[in-house]
Amino acid sequence: DAGVIQSPRHEVTEMGQEVTLRCKPISGHNSLFWYRQTMMRGLELLIYFNNNVPIDDSGMPEDRFSAKMPNASFSTLKIQPSEPRDSAVYFCASSLGRGVNQPQHFGDGTRLSIL
Amino acid sequence: AQSVTQLGSHVSVSEGALVLLRCNYSSSVPPYLFWYVQYPNQGLQLLLKYTTGATLVKGINGFEAEFKKSETSFHLTKPSAHMSDAAEYFCAVSDNIIGNEKLTFGTGTRLTIIP
Repeated sequence: DAGVIQSPRHEVTEMGQEVTLRCKPISGHNSLFWYRQTMMRGLELLIYFNNNVPIDDSGMPEDRFSAKMPNASFSTLKIQPSEPRDSAVYFCASSLGRGVNQPQHFGDGTRLSIL
Repeated sequence: AQSVTQLGSHVSVSEGALVLLRCNYSSSVPPYLFWYVQYPNQGLQLLLKYTTGATLVKGINGFEAEFKKSETSFHLTKPSAHMSDAAEYFCAVSDNIIGNEKLTFGTGTRLTIIP
Protein backbone atom coordinates (compact mmCIF):
# COMPACT_ATOMS: atom_id res chain seq x y z
CA ASP A 1 0.00 0.00 0.00
CA ALA A 2 1.19 3.53 -0.64
CA GLY A 3 2.91 5.33 2.19
CA VAL A 4 2.99 9.05 2.85
CA ILE A 5 3.83 10.82 -0.39
CA GLN A 6 5.68 14.13 -0.41
CA SER A 7 6.49 16.37 -3.32
CA PRO A 8 8.79 17.65 -4.51
CA ARG A 9 11.66 15.52 -3.20
CA HIS A 10 14.11 18.35 -3.78
CA GLU A 11 13.56 22.07 -4.14
CA VAL A 12 16.15 24.72 -4.82
CA THR A 13 15.00 28.31 -5.01
CA GLU A 14 16.20 31.81 -4.41
CA MET A 15 15.64 33.83 -1.31
CA GLY A 16 12.35 35.70 -1.36
CA GLN A 17 10.51 33.18 -3.48
CA GLU A 18 7.39 31.37 -2.34
CA VAL A 19 7.84 27.69 -1.63
CA THR A 20 5.03 25.15 -1.41
CA LEU A 21 5.58 21.66 -0.08
CA ARG A 22 2.92 19.02 -0.58
CA CYS A 23 1.88 15.92 1.30
CA LYS A 24 -0.56 13.10 0.70
CA PRO A 25 -1.14 11.09 3.89
CA ILE A 26 -1.92 7.41 4.04
CA SER A 27 -5.54 6.78 3.16
CA GLY A 28 -7.67 6.46 6.29
CA HIS A 29 -5.24 8.30 8.53
CA ASN A 30 -6.82 11.12 10.51
CA SER A 31 -3.78 12.94 11.80
CA LEU A 32 -1.07 14.70 9.83
CA PHE A 33 2.19 16.20 11.03
CA TRP A 34 4.77 18.53 9.49
CA TYR A 35 8.35 18.34 10.79
CA ARG A 36 11.57 20.14 9.95
CA GLN A 37 14.97 18.49 10.32
CA THR A 38 18.27 20.37 10.46
CA MET A 39 21.71 19.52 11.76
CA MET A 40 21.56 22.32 14.30
CA ARG A 41 18.06 21.82 15.71
CA GLY A 42 17.32 18.19 14.96
CA LEU A 43 13.74 17.14 14.28
CA GLU A 44 11.13 19.77 15.15
CA LEU A 45 7.36 19.46 14.99
CA LEU A 46 5.96 22.46 13.13
CA ILE A 47 2.23 21.75 13.16
CA TYR A 48 -0.21 18.89 13.31
CA PHE A 49 -3.76 18.39 12.15
CA ASN A 50 -6.50 16.04 13.24
CA ASN A 51 -9.48 15.52 10.93
CA ASN A 52 -8.16 18.39 8.79
CA VAL A 53 -8.21 20.84 11.73
CA PRO A 54 -4.95 22.36 13.03
CA ILE A 55 -4.50 21.17 16.62
CA ASP A 56 -1.12 22.59 17.54
CA ASP A 57 0.87 25.08 15.49
CA SER A 58 3.15 26.25 18.28
CA GLY A 59 6.18 24.97 16.37
CA MET A 60 5.61 27.13 13.31
CA PRO A 61 8.63 29.43 13.33
CA GLU A 62 7.02 32.67 12.19
CA ASP A 63 4.34 34.21 10.04
CA ARG A 64 6.22 33.35 6.88
CA PHE A 65 5.15 29.76 7.42
CA SER A 66 1.61 28.55 6.87
CA ALA A 67 0.02 25.12 6.56
CA LYS A 68 -3.32 24.00 5.26
CA MET A 69 -5.23 20.77 5.03
CA PRO A 70 -8.20 21.35 2.73
CA ASN A 71 -9.22 17.69 2.78
CA ALA A 72 -8.26 14.36 4.27
CA SER A 73 -5.91 13.46 1.45
CA PHE A 74 -3.83 16.59 0.98
CA SER A 75 -1.84 19.12 2.93
CA THR A 76 0.52 21.95 2.05
CA LEU A 77 3.24 23.79 3.90
CA LYS A 78 4.01 27.20 2.44
CA ILE A 79 6.91 29.53 3.08
CA GLN A 80 6.57 33.09 1.82
CA PRO A 81 8.99 34.75 1.52
CA SER A 82 11.67 32.10 1.87
CA GLU A 83 15.03 32.76 3.54
CA PRO A 84 18.33 30.82 3.51
CA ARG A 85 17.78 29.77 7.14
CA ASP A 86 14.69 27.85 6.01
CA SER A 87 16.94 25.35 4.27
CA ALA A 88 16.20 21.95 5.80
CA VAL A 89 14.53 18.62 5.15
CA TYR A 90 10.79 18.86 5.71
CA PHE A 91 8.91 15.71 6.61
CA CYS A 92 5.24 14.95 6.58
CA ALA A 93 3.87 12.11 8.69
CA SER A 94 0.43 10.66 9.26
CA SER A 95 -1.22 8.42 11.82
CA LEU A 96 -4.51 6.69 12.35
CA GLY A 97 -5.96 9.11 14.87
CA ARG A 98 -6.01 10.82 18.21
CA GLY A 99 -3.71 9.34 20.77
CA VAL A 100 -0.02 8.82 20.48
CA ASN A 101 -0.49 5.08 20.74
CA GLN A 102 -0.83 5.17 16.97
CA PRO A 103 2.58 5.21 15.24
CA GLN A 104 3.44 8.02 12.89
CA HIS A 105 4.33 7.05 9.33
CA PHE A 106 6.81 9.37 7.67
CA GLY A 107 7.25 10.35 4.06
CA ASP A 108 10.71 10.50 2.51
CA GLY A 109 10.89 14.26 2.95
CA THR A 110 11.49 17.33 0.84
CA ARG A 111 15.03 18.64 0.84
CA LEU A 112 14.73 22.42 0.57
CA SER A 113 17.64 24.69 -0.30
CA ILE A 114 17.17 28.45 -0.28
CA LEU A 115 19.99 30.30 -2.01
CA ALA B 1 7.30 19.45 29.34
CA GLN B 2 8.82 16.18 28.28
CA SER B 3 12.29 15.75 26.80
CA VAL B 4 14.73 13.05 25.79
CA THR B 5 18.50 12.94 25.87
CA GLN B 6 20.43 10.59 23.65
CA LEU B 7 23.94 10.02 24.90
CA GLY B 8 26.42 9.81 22.07
CA SER B 9 25.71 11.38 18.72
CA HIS B 10 27.87 8.75 17.03
CA VAL B 11 28.30 5.11 17.96
CA SER B 12 30.48 2.59 16.11
CA VAL B 13 30.34 -1.15 16.66
CA SER B 14 31.83 -4.10 14.86
CA GLU B 15 29.63 -6.39 12.84
CA GLY B 16 28.32 -9.10 15.16
CA ALA B 17 28.88 -7.05 18.31
CA LEU B 18 26.28 -5.80 20.75
CA VAL B 19 24.52 -2.56 19.86
CA LEU B 20 23.59 -0.27 22.75
CA LEU B 21 22.06 3.14 22.11
CA ARG B 22 21.20 5.19 25.16
CA CYS B 23 18.12 7.29 25.81
CA ASN B 24 17.04 9.04 28.98
CA TYR B 25 13.74 10.84 29.28
CA SER B 26 12.13 13.47 31.38
CA SER B 27 8.38 13.57 31.78
CA SER B 28 5.99 14.83 34.41
CA VAL B 29 3.56 12.01 33.69
CA PRO B 30 4.05 8.33 32.82
CA PRO B 31 5.51 8.55 29.35
CA TYR B 32 5.02 6.80 26.09
CA LEU B 33 8.45 6.07 24.58
CA PHE B 34 9.51 5.28 21.04
CA TRP B 35 12.54 4.42 18.96
CA TYR B 36 12.61 5.39 15.31
CA VAL B 37 15.25 4.61 12.67
CA GLN B 38 16.17 6.79 9.70
CA TYR B 39 18.06 5.42 6.71
CA PRO B 40 19.80 7.85 4.35
CA ASN B 41 17.44 9.99 2.29
CA GLN B 42 14.39 8.44 3.92
CA GLY B 43 11.86 9.35 6.56
CA LEU B 44 11.72 7.90 10.03
CA GLN B 45 10.41 4.39 10.61
CA LEU B 46 9.06 3.10 13.90
CA LEU B 47 11.28 0.43 15.48
CA LEU B 48 9.37 -0.13 18.69
CA LYS B 49 7.27 1.59 21.32
CA TYR B 50 6.50 1.37 25.01
CA THR B 51 3.08 2.46 26.24
CA THR B 52 2.03 0.29 29.15
CA GLY B 53 2.54 -3.27 30.33
CA ALA B 54 5.71 -5.26 29.81
CA THR B 55 8.79 -3.12 30.24
CA LEU B 56 10.89 -5.09 27.75
CA VAL B 57 9.68 -4.24 24.30
CA LYS B 58 10.67 -6.07 21.15
CA GLY B 59 10.71 -4.36 17.80
CA ILE B 60 11.60 -4.97 14.21
CA ASN B 61 14.99 -6.09 12.90
CA GLY B 62 15.93 -7.79 16.19
CA PHE B 63 15.97 -4.63 18.29
CA GLU B 64 14.55 -4.36 21.77
CA ALA B 65 14.38 -1.74 24.50
CA GLU B 66 13.72 -1.82 28.20
CA PHE B 67 11.76 0.83 30.07
CA LYS B 68 13.37 1.49 33.45
CA LYS B 69 11.35 3.98 35.44
CA SER B 70 13.87 4.17 38.29
CA GLU B 71 16.58 5.19 35.86
CA THR B 72 14.29 7.19 33.51
CA SER B 73 15.89 5.26 30.68
CA PHE B 74 14.78 3.50 27.51
CA HIS B 75 17.98 2.14 25.97
CA LEU B 76 17.91 0.35 22.63
CA THR B 77 19.83 -2.89 22.17
CA LYS B 78 20.52 -5.54 19.59
CA PRO B 79 22.63 -8.61 20.42
CA SER B 80 24.48 -8.82 17.11
CA ALA B 81 24.98 -5.89 14.76
CA HIS B 82 24.47 -6.27 11.04
CA MET B 83 25.80 -4.02 8.31
CA SER B 84 22.22 -3.10 7.41
CA ASP B 85 21.75 -1.57 10.87
CA ALA B 86 23.85 1.44 9.89
CA ALA B 87 21.45 4.38 10.20
CA GLU B 88 20.42 7.19 12.51
CA TYR B 89 18.30 6.30 15.52
CA PHE B 90 15.94 8.62 17.34
CA CYS B 91 14.39 8.22 20.74
CA ALA B 92 11.08 10.03 21.29
CA VAL B 93 8.73 10.68 24.17
CA SER B 94 5.13 11.72 24.47
CA ASP B 95 2.93 12.64 27.38
CA ASN B 96 0.41 9.97 28.17
CA ILE B 97 -2.43 12.44 27.74
CA ILE B 98 -5.57 11.70 25.79
CA GLY B 99 -5.71 13.69 22.60
CA ASN B 100 -2.04 14.66 22.68
CA GLU B 101 -0.17 13.31 19.71
CA LYS B 102 2.98 15.38 19.97
CA LEU B 103 6.27 13.53 20.01
CA THR B 104 9.46 15.11 21.28
CA PHE B 105 12.50 13.63 19.57
CA GLY B 106 16.05 13.35 20.77
CA THR B 107 18.92 14.66 18.68
CA GLY B 108 19.66 11.25 17.24
CA THR B 109 22.51 8.75 17.32
CA ARG B 110 24.28 7.79 14.13
CA LEU B 111 25.22 4.11 14.21
CA THR B 112 28.17 2.94 12.13
CA ILE B 113 28.90 -0.74 11.67
CA ILE B 114 32.54 -1.72 11.19
CA PRO B 115 33.04 -4.75 8.92
